[in-house]
Amino acid sequence: GENVEQHPSTLSVQEGDSAVIKCTYSDSASNYFPWYKQELGKRPQLIIDIRSNVGEKKDQRIAVTLNKTAKHFSLHITETQPEDSAVYFCAASPGGFKTIFGAGTRLFVKA
Amino acid sequence: DVKVTQSSRYLVKRTGEKVFLECVQDMDHENMFWYRQDPGLGLRLIYFSYDVKMKEKGDIPEGYSVSREKKERFSLILESASTNQTSMYLCASSLRTGGSPLHFGNGTRLTVT
Repeated sequence: GENVEQHPSTLSVQEGDSAVIKCTYSDSASNYFPWYKQELGKRPQLIIDIRSNVGEKKDQRIAVTLNKTAKHFSLHITETQPEDSAVYFCAASPGGFKTIFGAGTRLFVKA
Repeated sequence: DVKVTQSSRYLVKRTGEKVFLECVQDMDHENMFWYRQDPGLGLRLIYFSYDVKMKEKGDIPEGYSVSREKKERFSLILESASTNQTSMYLCASSLRTGGSPLHFGNGTRLTVT
């Protein structure tokens, strides 16, 4: 069935380093790829999204890349800060009401 | 800014009880969703609604039902709570179906003993 695989499940980086989270999706009809950040005890919130007609999108220290041929998309965080510590979820939507989430990546940024 | 409010942050219920989780959104969104969040499993869709009185099953609807009598309110019902329904429940809304971000509530952590 449809699924989204997300790696790594846990990522620990030093403050100022970059962090990369990778996702692979199975449904080739997917055309919308949001990323959500969930801080401890809080709601998931959208941080960036990309549509299938775009290969890369950037917003300050956050960027997302999409390779539709390989069905891969990735989140890149540069110059990480302690407040980036959270769980990050990738997701893929083939349209309709479906949004398939990855299992999440717990990012630790060490000061 | 969209506000999605879940009525309870924490709930403790006994096995066999009927449980109601309430969710209200203030942005006139057509679509509302109930997800269940478990460690290592991400977010899984229980039910969604695209209009008043309309509902569709998600990936894990067994043991749950929903009600949407008003556009802004979407309720999740556990007809007879079981211990395997102990989880974090997240309500969400979205403006459009497909290609539209989800706006989540703060979640209800339900413990069934």
